[in-house]
Amino acid sequence: GAVVSQHPSWVICKSGTSVKIECRSLDFQATTMFWYRQFPKQSLMLMATSNEGSKATYEQGVEKDKFLINHASLTLSTLTVTSAHPEDSSFYICSARGRESQPQHFGDGTRLSIL
Amino acid sequence: EDKVVQSPLSLVVHEGDTVTLNCSYEVTNFRSLLWYKQEKKAPTFLFMLTSSGIEKKSGRLSSILDKKELSSILNITATQTGDSAIYLCAVEGLDSGYALNFGKGTSLLVTP
Repeated sequence: GAVVSQHPSWVICKSGTSVKIECRSLDFQATTMFWYRQFPKQSLMLMATSNEGSKATYEQGVEKDKFLINHASLTLSTLTVTSAHPEDSSFYICSARGRESQPQHFGDGTRLSIL
Repeated sequence: EDKVVQSPLSLVVHEGDTVTLNCSYEVTNFRSLLWYKQEKKAPTFLFMLTSSGIEKKSGRLSSILDKKELSSILNITATQTGDSAIYLCAVEGLDSGYALNFGKGTSLLVTP
């Protein structure tokens, strides 16, 4: 149980393109989903917290107009990197949490490369 | 500010050795401490600890939380090459909306 699916796993695109990443909880309802970013040889940095049906809460320094998050249902959250530039290249990971006492489970991550 | 510190940052051992990874934390209104294993992709869940002194065990891995010392250890006995990974410790505070604050991780390499 507690499977989180993230898609796509790898994206290469040109500068200026917008990229959408999907995160789905497959066998549980995720009241809260999280988006993290990880640079090489570094730990995970929280970008935003997303609750179903409400606006995402962004961490300090994360541009909300750049990283659009939508959490329209209890099983799906999306992160759209708008007008991506090479400095947005990174490993983006989502996680989802069900009930209060349950841990976060992570998707497999999306490796984004902007040329 | 919440803080999670892991040690050592990296470790190389031989197959069959036992290793102990450390995690210390400072967090406002502690809720839980979690251990994850990260190989090439995203982290996979190992343990969630909320109560002090109660050991959690899964096969050759075990973990325990010490709330008085604000720390946790992750033990791996009879290590195998498949245990090579980065082990991440994360802490959840009651005030953080369930968001996790991660340490930098311990990179473990088990050699044959």
